[in-house]
Amino acid sequence: KAGVTQTPRYLIKTRGQQVTLSCSPISGHRSVSWYQQTPGQGLQFLFEYFSETQRNKGNFPGRFSGRQFSNSRSEMNVSTLELGDSALYLCASSRGSMMGEKLFFGSGTQLSVL
Amino acid sequence: EDKVVQSPLSLVVHEGDTVTLNCSYEVTNFRSLLWYKQEKKAPTFLFMLTSSGIEKKSGRLSSILDKKELFSILNITATQTGDSAVYLCAVEAAGGTSYGKLTFGQGTILTVHP
Repeated sequence: KAGVTQTPRYLIKTRGQQVTLSCSPISGHRSVSWYQQTPGQGLQFLFEYFSETQRNKGNFPGRFSGRQFSNSRSEMNVSTLELGDSALYLCASSRGSMMGEKLFFGSGTQLSVL
Repeated sequence: EDKVVQSPLSLVVHEGDTVTLNCSYEVTNFRSLLWYKQEKKAPTFLFMLTSSGIEKKSGRLSSILDKKELFSILNITATQTGDSAVYLCAVEAAGGTSYGKLTFGQGTILTVHP
């Protein structure tokens, strides 16, 4: 069974640009969550999608947005990039049908903003 | 606001040593505590604990939760160089606003020397 797949693995952008990251969950998983990991703040929750609907959102500015498609694949978009957006962006999937399910993480997209 | 604190932040041991990693938490309406191991990029699931005093065990790794004192420990016996990684502790709250959301600690960096 294939794991959570994130593309691209690495990305370099400049301030002011926008970026789109992609996440394909484990087959049969309908919930996708996104996290930002930085050395200073650790892993922080961005948002969660289930059946194309955002069910939960963390404390990030509106420049961070996401969506989920009917096949459960998810994309995350960051507009007007800032230097502080440089981070490892991880997505995680679960069946999502109930609370308390463990999350399976992908290998992440390493974003560098210059 | 939910909070997770891990200690120590880093630890250096030699192969064969036993290590204990600590995790204390404050969370409104606790549901579960999870341990992940992060090597390179993707955090991999180790344990989920929901009941106090019950030990979860997998090979040389074990973990226990104390819901009264609000902490958990992760023990690794007979450490090997392959145990070198960042160990992450996370808590999940109950309730509809918690879908996909884990609150993580800063992590403990474990280095095992041959």
